[in-house]
Amino acid sequence: QVQLVQSGAEVKKPGASVKVSCKASGYAFTNFYITWVRQAPGQGPEWMGRIIAYNGDTNYAQRFQDRVTMTTDLSSRTAYMELRSLISDDTAKYFCTSGLNWFDTWGQGTLVTVSS
Amino acid sequence: QSALTQPASVSGSPGQSITISCTGTNSDVGGYNYVSWYQQHPGKAPKLMIYDVSDRPSGVSDRFSGSKSGNTASLTISGLQAEDEANYYCSSYTDTNTVFFGGGTKLTVL
Repeated sequence: QVQLVQSGAEVKKPGASVKVSCKASGYAFTNFYITWVRQAPGQGPEWMGRIIAYNGDTNYAQRFQDRVTMTTDLSSRTAYMELRSLISDDTAKYFCTSGLNWFDTWGQGTLVTVSS
Repeated sequence: QSALTQPASVSGSPGQSITISCTGTNSDVGGYNYVSWYQQHPGKAPKLMIYDVSDRPSGVSDRFSGSKSGNTASLTISGLQAEDEANYYCSSYTDTNTVFFGGGTKLTVL
């Protein structure tokens, strides 16, 4: 059974960075894409970008291009998403999900709160 | 960024059918057969209901179906049940190798 388990909730001050992890189990991690999606309170999902697990190639949404980095650690089957220069509008639940153009397995989500 | 356009809300009675639309452009919905649909209950992660316009993952009820015409995709739910009450989101691959989501539609089962 494919499963993605994310790290716990974070509270950050404006200007800080956050790094969210996503540990995969139950499938060949290296063969797949990991996509990151965020969802602000009461809003729809927003695609942030994707990473190919086996070679680290990434595609980022233009609005995050300058302040997001997605990485993977094959030895621990874990994907990471780091978002820098946080502002209050970055307050959202961040999800990792497997897939390229559609997403069938989702992590439980990590709530990131940005507040002074 | 540009989100795909969905109606804010739809409603129907148990047993009825409803359709949710998702309108994009030639650069996304109209240009590729990579439209997917997600169901989301409050506090939960989205659940994939339809992929590649009209394919259903295993385990998803055949009451859910998808289609596309031009720049507009549609999700139809037949035989509405109380458990179908949720938010529904469409998404599409785009010509910039990214993915757009719709703004979401709240389905109310009367």
